Amino acid sequence: NAGVMQNPRHLVRRRGQEARLRCSPMKGHSHVYWYRQLPEEGLKFMVYLQKENIIDESGMPKERFSAEFPKEGPSILRIQQVVRGDSAAYFCASSGLDSNQPQHFGDGTRLSIL
Amino acid sequence: AQSVAQPEDQVNVAEGNPLTVKCTYSVSGNPYLFWYVQYPNRGLQFLLKYITGDNLVKGSYGFEAEFNKSQTSFHLKKPSALVSDSALYFCAVRVPPPMEYGNKLVFGAGTILRVKS
Repeated sequence: NAGVMQNPRHLVRRRGQEARLRCSPMKGHSHVYWYRQLPEEGLKFMVYLQKENIIDESGMPKERFSAEFPKEGPSILRIQQVVRGDSAAYFCASSGLDSNQPQHFGDGTRLSIL
Repeated sequence: AQSVAQPEDQVNVAEGNPLTVKCTYSVSGNPYLFWYVQYPNRGLQFLLKYITGDNLVKGSYGFEAEFNKSQTSFHLKKPSALVSDSALYFCAVRVPPPMEYGNKLVFGAGTILRVKS
């Protein structure tokens, strides 16, 4: 499967725990984007990364949330000390160097906070 | 700041009839416009895009969209709807560099399309 791979597909955490969401971009893509979809809402941009660089994090909450895209391995979205309001579907997208091309999305990680 | 409006939460259409899902946008500069479709428990699938050129854009699964600069609209259309087209549809806009730093997409709230047989 050459598409965007996200894991896990479903993640359950208790309040106060940490959540780690992983995203492997499509082969040949070096740009990764994270979006959050709250129930009954559209997707909201969180962060845009290239290898080892955060390019735009204007949509990231100021606390508890962080993202990385290391030189080797998948991109990670990390949520510390989760709260019930963090329950959502988190989608990763990737694109190549050509800015005219669309972003391709993974199937998302559905995070549930107990 | 750019924004996208999808004025209809839901569109109902009979199978075989034409469908339209509406989208209007507000941006500074020339927009890149996209339509995506989402099926339950799945990610977004790209349908079509407008970057420049012909105002009528053809995409996947028989869908097309018309870019109207004066009305700042990018409505999604299909001449003959199928039951399998029932899904959640998102319009999105991106302002390319150098007008906007980064490549983030701004999405509308989505429109549920229900096609009845």
